[in-house]
Amino acid sequence: DQQVKQNSPSLSVQEGRISILNCDYTNSMFDYFLWYKKYPAEGPTFLISISSIKDKNEDGRFTVFLNKSAKHLSLHIVPSQPGDSAVYFCAASANTGNQFYFGTGTSLTVIP
Amino acid sequence: EPEVTQTPSHQVTQMGQEVILRCVPISNHLYFYWYRQILGQKVEFLVSFYNNEISEKSEIFDDQFSVERPDGSNFTLKIRSTKLEDSAMYFCASSDRDTHFVARYNEQFFGPGTRLTVL
Repeated sequence: DQQVKQNSPSLSVQEGRISILNCDYTNSMFDYFLWYKKYPAEGPTFLISISSIKDKNEDGRFTVFLNKSAKHLSLHIVPSQPGDSAVYFCAASANTGNQFYFGTGTSLTVIP
Repeated sequence: EPEVTQTPSHQVTQMGQEVILRCVPISNHLYFYWYRQILGQKVEFLVSFYNNEISEKSEIFDDQFSVERPDGSNFTLKIRSTKLEDSAMYFCASSDRDTHFVARYNEQFFGPGTRLTVL
């Protein structure tokens, strides 16, 4: 069951431009959403999160937007840098437990 | 900066053999997790552990799997009789609080993973 979906397996962006990564979910019980970044041969690293009581959270170059009615969230990176090239995972948690449900990831390539 | 560590980085085993994957969570963390990622697929939750017992587990975590915190620092995942389909990256994670603790949500910190190859 794909409760969290990332429909774009890959994305290429020019350095300095905006990267937009998208994520959709189906479970209305999800109330906490996160983005993790993963480099090859490393574990996922926490990037930014948002709770369902907010629709936007910003941390430096990273902003996460949540649209609860559409069950959609997005991660904006601006300006994009070559070091941002990695696989980005969207994850969600329901208020019934601690487990995170992950999407399949989007591989971002920032071209210098 | 404190981090979650995992050993070994790569484990090769024969089908039917037992394997133990080891993790050292961040020292003041109380909640521990195992996830796995089969090549090309999503990261999947296996089990969470708190106060020396399993608090949640997924359908994947059947009787072949067990977890243990044998001492104050290690957290292990044992697969009793490995199958070919157990080949995956296994990630350990930890957090200092319940994900939905009061008014604060808490992320989980992941280790670098152990690549398990079952032949």
